[in-house]
Formats: sequence, C-alpha cells, structure tokens
Amino acid sequence: NAGVTQTPKFRILKIGQSMTLQCTQDMNHNYMYWYRQDPGMGLKLIYYSVGAGITDKGEVPNGYNVSRSTTEDFPLRLELAAPSQTSVYFCASSYDSGGYTGELFFGEGSRLTVL
Amino acid sequence: TQLLEQSPQFLSIQEGENLTVYCNSSSVFSSLQWYRQEPGEGPVLLVTVVTGGEVKKLKRLTFQFGDARKDSSLHITAAQPGDTGLYLCAGAGHTNAGKSTFGDGTTLTVKP
Repeated sequence: NAGVTQTPKFRILKIGQSMTLQCTQDMNHNYMYWYRQDPGMGLKLIYYSVGAGITDKGEVPNGYNVSRSTTEDFPLRLELAAPSQTSVYFCASSYDSGGYTGELFFGEGSRLTVL
Repeated sequence: TQLLEQSPQFLSIQEGENLTVYCNSSSVFSSLQWYRQEPGEGPVLLVTVVTGGEVKKLKRLTFQFGDARKDSSLHITAAQPGDTGLYLCAGAGHTNAGKSTFGDGTTLTVKP
C-alpha cells in the first residue's frame, strides 16, 4: 500500500538554489496539499489543489510554486531557496465524498535544510 | 479566518495517568479530525467527528465534539509510553472549501 509518496526524504540546499519536491498518490484522491512544519509547531498550508489543473494558495505560499497536471502528482517547486524555507514538508491527499471530508492522508515528509 | 487553539501545548505525565487535550475555536466546523504524529513521520488520522455532542472511543482514547461544533477534546485513560507524540486537531468548515485549519498541536510525553 503506497498511499502518499514523497521524494526526496532529505535535502540540503544552498541559498539561491532551486529544487522540486515530488509527491504522488495512488488512491485516486481529488484533493492534494503541501504543508510545512517548523520545529515544535503545527502545520502551515502552502498550496493546495482540488483537482487536476486547479491550484490555489494557502497561508504561506511565498517562495513556492505548484502544478497539478495529473490526479496522481502534485510537485512543489522552491525557487531561490532561503534559510527561512528550512522546514519539514508534508504532502497530503484527501478524497471527495460529496464534498471535502477533512480526512487527510500524509506522506512521510521531506526534510529540507537551506544553508 | 478560522482558528483552532489547542491546549496544553506540552504535557509530560507518568505511565498510567489520565489526560485531556482541548481544541477550541470561535468558528463552527462541519467536521473535526484528530491526528497523531510520531517523530520523523507524517500525521496519522485517528478519528473524525461530525455531529455536535458526538463521542467516539478508540481503545483508551475518547474523542468528543462540542454541542455547537466549535470545540473538541481528546481524553486518554491510563496513558502508556506508546501514546507519546504530537496530537493535532484540524477542522473542516463550510467557509474553508477543500482545506482544513490545524491547531498548533499538543506534544505528549508519557514516561515509563
């Protein structure tokens, strides 16, 4: 049972570099999300998508971009990495049951350090 | 903007003790979820409550949704070291189409 798969699990970037965090889910879920979690804190929503071809900003979208060309994949792009983007990133998905259920399935996380 | 406040932020107890974690908001939610997150892993869904006044039990964990659907509590009976982790509540509301509002979490440590 793959569920939500994120890659890479760990990455160190230099200031100004760019990278893409990959996320794929095999549950045919319409909704997909990117969150970041800073040490000892809860989850902050970066971007989300309610279906292929549709994306929208969350609470903290600055410095990030996303695309949703297929139901399965939802990559997160970091442009010009900054130390403030050091965090653990979680991808999540949810199913549509006549509307949003709120039940999220998370990946294992990608730990990013920007030096 | 819908906000969820969790309390306490940190809780350290001895094995066998009982505890309650609270999740409060001034907003009404259509459903509320509780998740547990262990170090180095993603959050895992424990329960969903949808009806005001609803009580759900999961072994030694009891979840309650407030009558007005603005607040929730998680009670653990006879805590065990395996209960250690970060507990997060999240609300799905009519005004948050397609997304959830998360609390900042309660870090629970159960000492043997």
